[in-house]
Amino acid sequence: QKEVEQDPGPLSVPEGAIVSLNCTYSNSAFQYFMWYRQYSRKGPELLMYTYSSGNKEDGRFTAQVDKSSKYISLFIRDSQPSDSATYLCAMSAIETSGSRLTFGEGTQLTVNP
Amino acid sequence: SAVISQKPSRDICQRGTSLTIQCQVDSQVTMMFWYRQQPGQSLTLIATANQGSEATYESGFVIDKFPISRPNLTFSTLTVSNMSPEDSSIYLCSARGGGIGQPQHFGDGTRLSIL
Repeated sequence: QKEVEQDPGPLSVPEGAIVSLNCTYSNSAFQYFMWYRQYSRKGPELLMYTYSSGNKEDGRFTAQVDKSSKYISLFIRDSQPSDSATYLCAMSAIETSGSRLTFGEGTQLTVNP
Repeated sequence: SAVISQKPSRDICQRGTSLTIQCQVDSQVTMMFWYRQQPGQSLTLIATANQGSEATYESGFVIDKFPISRPNLTFSTLTVSNMSPEDSSIYLCSARGGGIGQPQHFGDGTRLSIL
């Protein structure tokens, strides 16, 4: 079983839709949770970064972490064609692990105008 | 956040040859990492590049195949040795600053094809 499972997609939505991207994990030591956005032929770009449980909002993006359920989500409001990309969740354990990141498989999102 | 530049951005190589990929960060960083990403797939950590000491390799990756250097706090290289078609992939460098909980930032990667 993989440590991190991500909803595989691909996902295709109309412009303006609310998008929900999700990951589950099995390692209870994970405390740092990240969402990266990766455009075609580009490296992953850090989108959201949260520590432990709770919500974090940044513009149209909201990251949600539920450690009791080992479940994280990224919500995109009022989605735009420019949001079309692959979204990767990533997580790491406490600092002593050397910040080793474990990634999900990625969800490809297409927002149609 | 740190800006990370990789060179070359892409290359096509003959099997049996070696290629060195360079990663330059615009500021001093505590840790640097090398990942591999197969097209359409997620990232797999190859190794952590340690400044002044040998790199720390993940299971399935060995120093003879992927020698890594990190001569200072802003630069690292990854060499892919004795390449075969199975080494065709995207190789990504990442870096993070000091302090607890700092996230990693990535370069745009090197797209490598082996003929």
